[in-house]
Amino acid sequence: TQLLEQSPQFLSIQEGENLTVYCNSSSVFSSLQWYRQEPGEGPVLLVTVVTGGEVKKLKRLTFQFGDARKDSSLHITAAQPGDTGLYLCAGVYNNNDMRFGAGTRLTVKP
Amino acid sequence: NAGVTQTPKFQVLKTGQSMTLQCAQDMNHEYMSWYRQDPGMGLRLIHYSVGAGITDQGEVPNGYNVSRSTTEDFPLRLLSAAPSQTSVYFCASSYHRGVQTQYFGPGTRLLVL
Repeated sequence: TQLLEQSPQFLSIQEGENLTVYCNSSSVFSSLQWYRQEPGEGPVLLVTVVTGGEVKKLKRLTFQFGDARKDSSLHITAAQPGDTGLYLCAGVYNNNDMRFGAGTRLTVKP
Repeated sequence: NAGVTQTPKFQVLKTGQSMTLQCAQDMNHEYMSWYRQDPGMGLRLIHYSVGAGITDQGEVPNGYNVSRSTTEDFPLRLLSAAPSQTSVYFCASSYHRGVQTQYFGPGTRLLVL
């Protein structure tokens, strides 16, 4: 059973398009992290969100933590081929346990 | 700083063989962990350590052993490899457990025949 559901599983878009990927759970998290993973490499942390309703921006990437701290979204504006990769969300419980979602595999075509 | 290093990058084993996956970090991090990544499953925690001499089980510990004799090293041992252990293994480290930046190694791709 996947505690964190990510959608969509796969996404293929053209350069310049906008996109949103989602991370949902029935559990409440103390915080949530987003990672990006490129082929043959380990995941790299993009952002940590802690407060319900929090919005963080990282250049063209906007991350939002749901008010109830059960869900999160990642929005990319004007996607570029360099954004291609596997996007993983990871929720941290109050006991410091961390659970990863299965990821959204994004392909941005030039 | 090299960050988190893992060896080997690739390994093929026969069922029943044993092997050790090496992981080292040079950032003086207290927390180290091992994950396996399988298609459609995300990263699942195998074992973790909050400091030298202390280890604990994660979500999927069966078939794996770990030890932490130094702050820097955290090897993962497969005692008797099974085809179900075919996966990509990642080692990660951070200053402490929980809401921290985890630094991942490049991974070890393991195939068990």
